[in-house]
Amino acid sequence: AQTVTQSQPEMSVQEAETVTLSCTYDTSENNYYLFWYKQPPSRQMILVIRQEAYKQQNATENRFSVNFQKAAKSFSLKISDSQLGDTAMYFCVHSGGSNYKLTFGKGTLLTVNP
Amino acid sequence: ETGVTQTPRHLVMGMTNKKSLKCEQHLGHNAMYWYKQSAKKPLELMFVYNFKEQTENNSVPSRFSPECPNSSHLFLHLHTLQPEDSALYLCASSQGREGGYGYTFGSGTRLTVV
Repeated sequence: AQTVTQSQPEMSVQEAETVTLSCTYDTSENNYYLFWYKQPPSRQMILVIRQEAYKQQNATENRFSVNFQKAAKSFSLKISDSQLGDTAMYFCVHSGGSNYKLTFGKGTLLTVNP
Repeated sequence: ETGVTQTPRHLVMGMTNKKSLKCEQHLGHNAMYWYKQSAKKPLELMFVYNFKEQTENNSVPSRFSPECPNSSHLFLHLHTLQPEDSALYLCASSQGREGGYGYTFGSGTRLTVV
C-alpha cells in the first residue's frame, strides 16, 4: 500500500518570498507519478505540478518546482515569489500500482501574507 | 469552469431524506470517481467507474449508491445518512484508469446531514 506524509499541517510566508512544502511517501511500485494539488477556498482541487518517477529531472512549472529525491522517497514543492493567490491547502499525491489509484497526504495549509 | 461540474454546491438534508449529487464532465474522459473529504482526514476514494462500469467500491456503506449512466455523468444517491457523513464530496475524472496525468476535479458538494 502507498502512504503519503505531509509533516507540516500549516505554513505561512510573506508575499514575494520563497517557501518549501515537504512530502515523503512510501511505495512498493517501480512506476509511479507524484503530484502537488492545491485547493483554495473555492474548493477546486487544481493540479500544480507533476513528476514522473522514472525521470530524474525535477519538474518545473513557472514559479513552482519540485525537489524529487527518489531514493529518499521525498518530494518537496518550492514556491518562488509567493503571491496572495497561492494561499490554499496543498496536497502531495502519489499515483501508482496496477490501477494508478491516487493516494493523498493530509495536506499543508499555506497562507501568503501581504 | 474546469470541465467537471458538480451540483448542488451545498446541500443540507435530514437523516431520513433522499437526495442525489450530480457530476458532469465534457473532457472526453473515460474514468470518473467519487471522493469524500472530511476535516483533518486525507481524501477518501469512494467509487471508481471506468467506461460506465463500476470497478471499485472502497467499502462504502450502502446508504451511498452511485450511478453512471454514461461516461460523462456520475451520480451519488444518498439515503438515510448519518451526521458523520457530513463532508465535501468531490467528483473527478481522468483519461482512462492510468493516473499519470492526474485527475480533473469538480468544486465539490458541501453536504451537511442534520
